[in-house]
Amino acid sequence: DVKVTQSSRYLVKRTGEKVFLECVQDMDHENMFWYRQDPGLGLRLIYFSYDVKMKEKGDIPEGYSVSREKKERFSLILESASTNQTSMYLCASSSRQPQHFGDGTRLSIL
Amino acid sequence: AQSVTQPDIHITVSEGASLELRCNYSYGATPYLFWYVQSPGQGLQLLLKYFSGDTLVQGIKGFEAEFKRSQSSFNLRKPSVHWSDAAEYFCAVGALDISNFGNEKLTFGTGTRLTIIP
Repeated sequence: DVKVTQSSRYLVKRTGEKVFLECVQDMDHENMFWYRQDPGLGLRLIYFSYDVKMKEKGDIPEGYSVSREKKERFSLILESASTNQTSMYLCASSSRQPQHFGDGTRLSIL
Repeated sequence: AQSVTQPDIHITVSEGASLELRCNYSYGATPYLFWYVQSPGQGLQLLLKYFSGDTLVQGIKGFEAEFKRSQSSFNLRKPSVHWSDAAEYFCAVGALDISNFGNEKLTFGTGTRLTIIP
């Protein structure tokens, strides 16, 4: 079975902090994705990566950046956290579909 | 641009009753369709997928879905729900582009929350 592991289930940070969310997959998948999930809005794609060091913006990239230095790891970075980035963040990976998801990180920005 | 509509925000059914969750999509080519389930505080688990072939697909936990191209629909069904089926359900549409790995994005609906009453 595919295993997608997100480093934290819950995280509390302060406004203005630089925040790192980490995601690791163990199936050698080419594609990795970061979503945020908010009530009534479903899942919205922030960034995705289709190879090491390759990244593309999703639908809502503002305020975020990503890093993929190794194939198995995809990091989401909040450069200067703001309260409107309080959300559930989900990481996924895929190779020839479907996407497999981690358990999510519930991030609160105070 | 592709899109997915799940018209029901919240559905309540009695345990043992049948269930149908609606999903309509808009996509320019042959779609790849998925249903995922999310239990509270968890990530998304794949229930079933449609890539091609038989339009009635079977998934895990006794779920099935039917692809109807003429109606642009991919509704999820279960003949008899169990209390453990209470969760949020997401429909998604995407592509499999063998020439471009980067084209495997999914577009999700806003979800349907399912409540089961005893």
